[in-house]
Amino acid sequence: AQSVAQPEDQVNVAEGNPLTVKCTYSVSGNPYLFWYVQYPNRGLQFLLKYITGDNLVKGSYGFEAEFNKSQTSFHLKKPSALVSDSALYFCAVRDRSLEGNQFYFGTGTSLTVIP
Amino acid sequence: NAGVTQTPKFRILKIGQSMTLQCAQDMNHNYMYWYRQDPGMGLKLIYYSVGAGITDKGEVPNGYNVSRSTTEDFPLRLELAAPSQTSVYFCASSYGGPNTGELFFGEGSRLTVL
Repeated sequence: AQSVAQPEDQVNVAEGNPLTVKCTYSVSGNPYLFWYVQYPNRGLQFLLKYITGDNLVKGSYGFEAEFNKSQTSFHLKKPSALVSDSALYFCAVRDRSLEGNQFYFGTGTSLTVIP
Repeated sequence: NAGVTQTPKFRILKIGQSMTLQCAQDMNHNYMYWYRQDPGMGLKLIYYSVGAGITDKGEVPNGYNVSRSTTEDFPLRLELAAPSQTSVYFCASSYGGPNTGELFFGEGSRLTVL
């Protein structure tokens, strides 16, 4: 079965410091991995995705993520956090083997950037 | 450039009432999805559709129904509302088939059942 785990419910980081939001996954085939961000009372917004190729993926707002096949991880990173990065972050895996190309989401990590 | 549009944004229902959450997309996506989001639980798939006239159940379909008469619209029907259906509902769409595209989300519909 496909699954996504985000081991941290809450991450706090000081403004200007690097941030990492962790994600591990379990899929039966090749993983298609995504990160989304959700601001209060808004829908989810796409940040970046890994399909194939370079393990380091760059996305919106200066975020990047590193795909690590041996550790089955896809951690989200940013070199220098901004207060405006404070939001809820979701990791997701897409199962192309299933009808509907269903997405499976982690439970989310709340990021707070402290001024 | 509307993307995915959901209505209403907020609704309060009494136990046993019924209602329909509307969802429309203007990106000509063939795949559409309904999710519910509960605190600490992430998103759970309720129903999905791979094209007009085709729908199927997701993880948590009980108490809901959907239809897909056009490519653009994917309404979610709640029959006999229960407090357990208090949640935030998100509609999403994507390109289907072999495309590995991302989901595009609406802004959500917050439903409270009292």
